[in-house]
Amino acid sequence: NAGVTQTPKFRVLKTGQSMTLLCAQDMNHEYMYWYRQDPGMGLRLIHYSVGEGTTAKGEVPDGYNVSRLKKQNFLLGLESAAPSQTSVYFCASCGRRRNQPQHFGDGTRLSIL
Amino acid sequence: AQSVTQLDSQVPVFEEAPVELRCNYSSSVSVYLFWYVQYPNQGLQLLLKYLSGSTLVKGINGFEAEFNKSQTSFHLRKPSVHISDTAEYFCAVSWILTQGGSEKLVFGKGTKLTVNP
Repeated sequence: NAGVTQTPKFRVLKTGQSMTLLCAQDMNHEYMYWYRQDPGMGLRLIHYSVGEGTTAKGEVPDGYNVSRLKKQNFLLGLESAAPSQTSVYFCASCGRRRNQPQHFGDGTRLSIL
Repeated sequence: AQSVTQLDSQVPVFEEAPVELRCNYSSSVSVYLFWYVQYPNQGLQLLLKYLSGSTLVKGINGFEAEFNKSQTSFHLRKPSVHISDTAEYFCAVSWILTQGGSEKLVFGKGTKLTVNP
């Protein structure tokens, strides 16, 4: 009964380093999302995917790339990390039917020094 | 642009007191409305949702919310809170952009509810 699993849970990077955050869901959901959460800002959508092999930009996509090679996985990449990308990152998924609520992972805390 | 406003960033209350967390959104066109709760160091959990029908929606943990189309509001209420309700609460609105088109879920900035003994 895993739901949405994010790895890693914590990570500290130096400016300029790259890394990939992994999101995996076992609910056979079509739609997947990456958000970032910053104090007082709520959740802001970075990128999303409506199916395997398709991705689209959200509200704050700059500095991030994503891939959805398999239906159950959605990867978020930082090519050259910047301190402004210090945040908590959440992945979510939901079914294709309208009105489906999104299911969230527990988040990845990322610090860029 | 669609927006969601949570009018209070922090709400302190005493245990067993009633509470109302306010949420307003910018558009009166077809919307779906959600409240999520986030406990410390966890992800968001769905508290309740309004899709259609009765404007009073009941959720988990004794929470309820009322959809008011004319005021474009979706306020969350609980008649008697517990210490365990201390968390951050997010209102989210999904707009139907076009017939058969995609939906976008927009979150408010959150309200931190602190229940004191």
